Amino acid sequence: QKEVEQNSGPLSVPEGAIASLNCTYSDRGSQSFFWYRQYSGKSPELIMSIYSNGDKEDGRFTAQLNKASQYVSLLIRDSQPSDSATYLCAVNSDTGNQFYFGTGTSLTVIP
Amino acid sequence: DADVTQTPRNRITKTGKRIMLECSQTKGHDRMYWYRQDPGLGLQLIYYSFDVKDINKGEISDGYSVSRQAQAKFSLSLESAIPNQTALYFCATSDQGTGELFFGEGSRLTVL
Repeated sequence: QKEVEQNSGPLSVPEGAIASLNCTYSDRGSQSFFWYRQYSGKSPELIMSIYSNGDKEDGRFTAQLNKASQYVSLLIRDSQPSDSATYLCAVNSDTGNQFYFGTGTSLTVIP
Repeated sequence: DADVTQTPRNRITKTGKRIMLECSQTKGHDRMYWYRQDPGLGLQLIYYSFDVKDINKGEISDGYSVSRQAQAKFSLSLESAIPNQTALYFCATSDQGTGELFFGEGSRLTVL
């Protein structure tokens, strides 16, 4: 069983602060890593994808990957109340055929 | 219109009934997936298919079956529904190049 671990939270940050979400994975063969945002009762939507070690920035979002430590994180700068959601970390299998999801971290941004 | 469409969106049924959840997509992707989501358990893969003649079991396939009727259509069946199959079910497609998943709006199933 491939494992993807996330802190379930809830994580609360004040509006304008940086939210830091973390994820570890067990499959050293994984090559693709994703962060999805899921609002309550809605379907997951892709926020960021990252495929190589280092940082990848897109607007207020930065994904960080460290394959040696099997660790991927998501930073949300200038957090907004609309960022309040559950964030799911997803990792592909070593064959690339399947995706494994963490249980998600619930984020609340307090106005 | 949504690129990945699921029907029905909500269904209440009784133990022992046969249920089919349908998924259709206009994204042109070959890869399609069925996931189940329970509170606190994240998304669990039920079945996936990479083309019309390809069907693969996921982590939790027991009690479920699927049919890939066409590139754009992938159905999930519960032959004899039981209460612990009460969950939110998502269909998804993926871009083979990037691996990104695109989800339908979900089908909420309640088995009494």
